[in-house]
Amino acid sequence: DAGVTQSPTHLIKTRGQQVTLRCSPKSGHDTVSWYQQALGQGPQFIFQYYEEEERQRGNFPDRFSGHQFPNYSSELNVNALLLGDSALYLCASSQTGSNQPQHFGDGTRLSIL
Amino acid sequence: AQSVSQHNHHVILSEAASLELGCNYSYGGTVNLFWYVQYPGQHLQLLLKYFSGDPLVKGIKGFEAEFIKSKFSFNLRKPSVQWSDTAEYFCAVNAYNFGNEKLTFGTGTRLTIIP
Repeated sequence: DAGVTQSPTHLIKTRGQQVTLRCSPKSGHDTVSWYQQALGQGPQFIFQYYEEEERQRGNFPDRFSGHQFPNYSSELNVNALLLGDSALYLCASSQTGSNQPQHFGDGTRLSIL
Repeated sequence: AQSVSQHNHHVILSEAASLELGCNYSYGGTVNLFWYVQYPGQHLQLLLKYFSGDPLVKGIKGFEAEFIKSKFSFNLRKPSVQWSDTAEYFCAVNAYNFGNEKLTFGTGTRLTIIP
């Protein structure tokens, strides 16, 4: 039973570029959440997708956008990258209504030069 | 808005010592509480969770935590730590629902166990 998978593992971009990160949820899960974890900090909630729509959003600018596909996989897009966007981006999946906690992937390490 | 405080940023213990990591949260409603662990080079894993019922919850690898509602606390404990417990520990909270609402994390506690 595959867990949450994220790609790529590492990514290096320059300021002003755009990036797309991908996530496949754990089998049987229909909800995907994205978090940003800066060095030395706890994960910060970006947004959550369910039924292909953004259901909740944290305190992140519109440069951060996402998408969920019919197979429940998800993408996180970040435009106009800033140095401060350097972080580990985590995807977590869960099953709505199951009263079960979120399961996390290994993350994508994004470095902005 | 929810917030979580973990006052111990880095804890260093010898093997077999007892462990208690503090976690306090701020939220006006009913909450679910979690402890996650991040071993070096690995993903966040759930140690234990509290949704309702017995405030003393037991998790994996001998960890337990006690929810004290009057103190807004959910401290993590282990009676005898092992070198393999070296990791980053995160306390998290979300609004009481079905457990998959957005998580608010603390800044984490780095635990180093000396053999």
